[in-house]
This record gives sequence, C-alpha cells and structure tokens, in this order.
Amino acid sequence: DTGVSQDPRHKITKRGQNVTFRCDPISEHNRLYWYRQTLGQGPEFLTYFQNEAQLEKSRLLSDRFSAERPKGSFSTLEIQRTEQGDSAMYLCASSPTRDRATDTQYFGPGTRLTVL
Amino acid sequence: GQQLNQSPQSMFIQEGEDVSMNCTSSSIFNTWLWYKQDPGEGPVLLIALYKAGELTSNGRLTAQFGITRKDSFLNISASIPSDVGIYFCAGPRFSWGKLQFGAGTQVVVTP
Repeated sequence: DTGVSQDPRHKITKRGQNVTFRCDPISEHNRLYWYRQTLGQGPEFLTYFQNEAQLEKSRLLSDRFSAERPKGSFSTLEIQRTEQGDSAMYLCASSPTRDRATDTQYFGPGTRLTVL
Repeated sequence: GQQLNQSPQSMFIQEGEDVSMNCTSSSIFNTWLWYKQDPGEGPVLLIALYKAGELTSNGRLTAQFGITRKDSFLNISASIPSDVGIYFCAGPRFSWGKLQFGAGTQVVVTP
C-alpha cells in the first residue's frame, strides 16, 4: 500500500532561483491538493485538481507559483524567482471521489523549502 | 487565517494520563478530520467523522462529531511517549474539499 509521496523531501535554494516539487498521489485518487505550512500554523490551501483540471487556486498562490497535473496522475508545483518568504513546508494531499470519503484527504510527507 | 478554534494550544501530561482536546467553529461542517503531525513530517490521518453525533475510535483514540456540527472532540487514553506531536482538527469548507485547519494542539508526554 503506497501512500502519497513527495520529492524532494528537502530543498535549499538561493533567493531568485526556481524550484519544482513533485507529488505522486494515492493511485486511485482523483483529487489532488497542495497546501503550504509555516512554523506553528496549520496547513493553508494553495490549489486543487480534479483529475488533470486545476479547479481552484488560493490568493496565496501568486503569479510566481504554478501547478500542473498533466495526465491526472502526479502533480508538480513550481515556484519561480523564490523569495525568503516562500520558505515553508509544501504538502500534497489526495482524496478519492466516492461518497463521503471525498472529503478525507491523505497527506504526503511534505517538501521543506528553505530560501537563503 | 485559521477559522477553527482549537484548544488547548499545548498540553504537558504524564505517561498514562488521558488527553482531551477540542475544536470549534462558527460554521457548520459535514466532516471533521483529526490529524497528527510529527516534526518534519506531513499530517497523518487519525480519525474521520462524517455524521453529527458520531463517536469513532481508533485504538486509544476516540473522537466525536458534535451534535451542533460546529465542534468536535478528540480523546487519547493512557498516553504513551509516542503520542507526542501536534494534533490538528480540520474540516472541508466547500464541496470540493478545501480543508480548514485549527492551529493545532501540541502534546508533550513526560515519563
């Protein structure tokens, strides 16, 4: 049984560089979510995919952020021209689309981004 | 910002004691989720609640979906050192499942 996986687990980059994170959801899950978590806070929603369609984006997702899920399977989150304020844990979650379980999201281990 | 009020913010307990925490909201939720997060890791789902009044157990964990649908409770019985971590409540705000999280309850267990 494979859960949600994320790669890399840690990323250290210099301000102004671009970074890309990958998420592989649980195989039968149609819905995929990205969240961001800063120290001492709960995760905050960034964006949501139903299969390959990106259906919702948070105001937190500036134009430097872009997410894709090209074949409705894995997803990537890219941050261009990183800023120190982008330092956070980036979490991916997935959920099935059946009955009440639709709301039940399973999270990956996260990617910790540090921008120097 | 956080719209789920989670309390207490932190708890320092002795091994073997029971732990109780709760989560309240001004809005109605149709689902309540409880997660545990260890440092440097993603949240792990502990219990999912789908119906008002529902009481669900997972080992030493018991959670309840409040009758008003605006609150939920999590209890941990006979705490052990591995219960250390941050516990989050969460609920979906829209039909497509955007989760709102509480600020978390940090549990510290001393031997």
